Amino acid sequence: AQSVTQLGSHVSVSEGALVLLRCNYSSSVPPYLFWYVQYPNQGLQLLLKYTTGATLVKGINGFEAEFKKSETSFHLTKPSAHMSDAAEYFCAVRMGGGNTPLVFGKGTRLSVIA
Amino acid sequence: DVKVTQSSRYLVKRTGEKVFLECVQDMDHENMFWYRQDPGLGLRLIYFSYDVKMKEKGDIPEGYSVSREKKERFSLILESASTNQTSMYLCASSYPGGMGRGEQFFGPGTRLTVL
Repeated sequence: AQSVTQLGSHVSVSEGALVLLRCNYSSSVPPYLFWYVQYPNQGLQLLLKYTTGATLVKGINGFEAEFKKSETSFHLTKPSAHMSDAAEYFCAVRMGGGNTPLVFGKGTRLSVIA
Repeated sequence: DVKVTQSSRYLVKRTGEKVFLECVQDMDHENMFWYRQDPGLGLRLIYFSYDVKMKEKGDIPEGYSVSREKKERFSLILESASTNQTSMYLCASSYPGGMGRGEQFFGPGTRLTVL
């Protein structure tokens, strides 16, 4: 069975510090990988995605993520946190073709301290 | 831009009531999904549909049913609401198969409270 693990349900960083949110997945086939962000009382918004090609993917709001096949990881980073980055972040994986739904991690809530 | 709308942002119902949550997308997507979101549990798939009148059970279908009579509309039905169905409900849609590689587009969510 496919699964997605996000390490840390809550991460707290100071404004201006590096943001690192971890995501590992289990898969026997090459996956498609996504990071979504959810601001309070809103739906999910796509931050970035990896499908094929370059393993370092850049997204919106200065975020990026690197697909590391050997580590089965897709960690999300941002060099300098801003107060507006405070939100919940979800990693999602699609393994298999056709109409296979995404499998989501349980989410990581990011707090940014002034 | 893809737009996914949900009929209500907040809803309060009584135990035993029949509840309808409506979702509409305007991008001609074949696939539509219903999730519930609870603290610490992330998003859990209730049902999805890959075509009109087609439906597939997700991970937690018990207590729910769905209807898809038109391509753009996907309804979630709680036949007899219970307090343990108090949650945030999220609808999503996507292109079929390899198109878009499975990227899902989400509505704003409906926060349902069952008293």
